[in-house]
Amino acid sequence: EIVLTQSPGTLSLSPGERATLSCRASQSVNSNYLVWYQQKPGQAPRLLIYGASTRATGIPDRFSASGSGTDFTLTISRLEPEDFAVYYCQQHGGSYTFGQGTKLEIK
Amino acid sequence: QVQLVESGGGVVQPGRSLSLSCAASGFSFGSFGIHWVRQAPGKGLEWVTVIRYDGSQQDYADSVKGRFTISRDNSKNTVYLQMNNLRAEDTAVYYCARDLWNGDARYFDYWGQGTQVTVSS
Repeated sequence: EIVLTQSPGTLSLSPGERATLSCRASQSVNSNYLVWYQQKPGQAPRLLIYGASTRATGIPDRFSASGSGTDFTLTISRLEPEDFAVYYCQQHGGSYTFGQGTKLEIK
Repeated sequence: QVQLVESGGGVVQPGRSLSLSCAASGFSFGSFGIHWVRQAPGKGLEWVTVIRYDGSQQDYADSVKGRFTISRDNSKNTVYLQMNNLRAEDTAVYYCARDLWNGDARYFDYWGQGTQVTVSS
């Protein structure tokens, strides 16, 4: 089973700053099957990025993502107040494992 | 608009059973696989199970294999999750999510709001 490890566990930043979230896989992941979700308290996860780098419909262009193989990154260029949430990466290669999440909190 | 609505959650004693439903609307239900994903209190997301669009294939996480069964009725636009021999560690919010394969990438594009399952004596 592919294990996804996200870092940092918690990221404390201020609105307007740039956020960089990491997702590392225990073995190579097909980029077509690497996904990022956002989850706010009391809400269901929301699709952000699929195929490692393609923004889902309606996702602002301040969200970008990249990576291949075992290392993937989600970047939020200028944090808005509504961006503070938990972010999960997920892979679909064989099984459907999630990373443990990165909590993005207001500093 | 695409909607997924879970129901059937509640409080149940360890060792007992519970059945969840995921009712879909706003899309061609019989063309999409459906997953269940759960989230224990204060924890991350855990994939549970998936059923193929036609019901011909299912897959399960090791943590629920042999205890949970996923099924679907495409005439009712509904997916079911039968949970038997429940354990305290099954306590979680259970979400259903639609599986989308666009020819290149695969992802869960729509999620329900979740239903709470609490296993406690």
